[in-house]
Amino acid sequence: GNSVTQMEGPVTLSEEAFLTINCTYTATGYPSLFWYVQYPGEGLQLLLKATKADDKGSNKGFEATYRKETTSFHLEKGSVQVSDSAVYFCALHYGQNFVFGPGTRLSVLP
Amino acid sequence: GAGVSQSPRYKVAKRGQDVALRCDPISGHVSLFWYQQALGQGPEFLTYFQNEAQLDKSGLPSDRFFAERPEGSVSTLKIQRTQQEDSAVYLCASSARGDYGYTFGSGTRLTVV
Repeated sequence: GNSVTQMEGPVTLSEEAFLTINCTYTATGYPSLFWYVQYPGEGLQLLLKATKADDKGSNKGFEATYRKETTSFHLEKGSVQVSDSAVYFCALHYGQNFVFGPGTRLSVLP
Repeated sequence: GAGVSQSPRYKVAKRGQDVALRCDPISGHVSLFWYQQALGQGPEFLTYFQNEAQLDKSGLPSDRFFAERPEGSVSTLKIQRTQQEDSAVYLCASSARGDYGYTFGSGTRLTVV
């Protein structure tokens, strides 16, 4: 079946540090891959997506590249800000449904 | 409206009580999804509608859970005889046909006491 694994949190960084949140997936076929972000008390917001192998999704300084050979979609940002503190979910979309990872909580300290 | 609206925002139910959670999708969005998000977990799929047709309900955890979308717009998720394990945030999402631009609502946090 389809599944998504993310690095366990929480991740605590200082402002301007480099961020990597690892995500790997298992899927039958060729899913689309997504990162969603959830700020406290809010719903999920789409951060970025990639629909095929070697595509790079990017938004707000975040990037992730769809790596079919390693079944990965790691999230990176060169310099995090306090406002990036949130929970980040990696997800795959196949057919009509999303399968989400468990989420990684990021805390950025000033 | 501009986004997906869910109500109520918070619901406390006594064990055994029936609850109804409402989702107002973005106007014109064909697809509507319900997800259940337990504390500290990622959302898990419950059910999917295309217009008024419920095409997939494989994620509903028991026959106490029921969802409807009778006119292809507003949807209601009903949980009968609530149990403590039903405590979670229930998220609704909608999208236009064939579009990955799913928009999620802020969710309803259900606490069963």
